[in-house]
Amino acid sequence: DSGVTQTPKHLITATGQRVTLRCSPRSGDLSVYWYQQSLDQGLQFLIQYYNGEERAKGNILERFSAQQFPDLHSELNLSSLELGDSALYFCASSVASTAQNEQFFGPGTRLTVL
Amino acid sequence: GESVGLHLPTLSVQEGDNSIINCAYSNSASDYFIWYKQESGKGPQFIIDIRSNMDKRQGQRVTVLLNKTVKHLSLQIAATQPGDSAVYFCAEIQPPTSYDKVIFGPGTSLSVIP
Repeated sequence: DSGVTQTPKHLITATGQRVTLRCSPRSGDLSVYWYQQSLDQGLQFLIQYYNGEERAKGNILERFSAQQFPDLHSELNLSSLELGDSALYFCASSVASTAQNEQFFGPGTRLTVL
Repeated sequence: GESVGLHLPTLSVQEGDNSIINCAYSNSASDYFIWYKQESGKGPQFIIDIRSNMDKRQGQRVTVLLNKTVKHLSLQIAATQPGDSAVYFCAEIQPPTSYDKVIFGPGTSLSVIP
C-alpha cells in the first residue's frame, strides 16, 4: 500500500458526460501528479500540482482540468468524454516538487466510456 | 475502429536467473531516468533512478546501466524471483528537470518461471 488513495476504483459512463476523479496524497506529500494509462499509448503524464499550484503540464487535453485543494487532495475533471478517454487514471504524490523525488502511485481509477 | 494495443516485449526467465530489461530513450538531452515496476492491477512502483552524470547505479538486487552514447538504459535484476513478474518501464526526464517533458517507455513484460 503506497499511502495514496484514489476514488472511485471503477467508473462507467457515456460519451459526452463529465466525471471527477479524486486523489488523496500520502500524508506529508505536497506534490500530486496525474497520469493516464491506455492500451494504445502507455503511461502519459497529464499534470502536476504542488501545494495548491499548478507546477507542470504534460499531455492534458483542454477537456480535462485538475485542481489541488488546501487539504492537498486533488481532483481530475474529465468533460465531454469520448470513447478514447477510456483508460486507467493514476494519481501519484511526492514530498517535493522536483522530478528527483520518488513518486508513490495510487491504485488507479479505471474509466470506461461507452 | 478497432484499437491496437501496445505490443509489449516479453522476457521469460527461470527463477534464480538474472534478468536484463532494456530501454532505448529518445532525447540526448534527458538527464534523469527512472525504472518503474507495475504489477497486474496496481499502479507503477519506483525501483531505481540514475542521473546522466552516472553510468551505473546499484540497489537491492537491481542495477541500472546508462549508456549515453547510444541512448540506452538497462535494468538488471539479480536472482529473479516469482514476485518480480511484472511490467517494467523506463522514464526519461529532460532538463531543467521539469516534469512536463517526461517520456515513458512502452514497457517490457517480465515473466518468471518457477
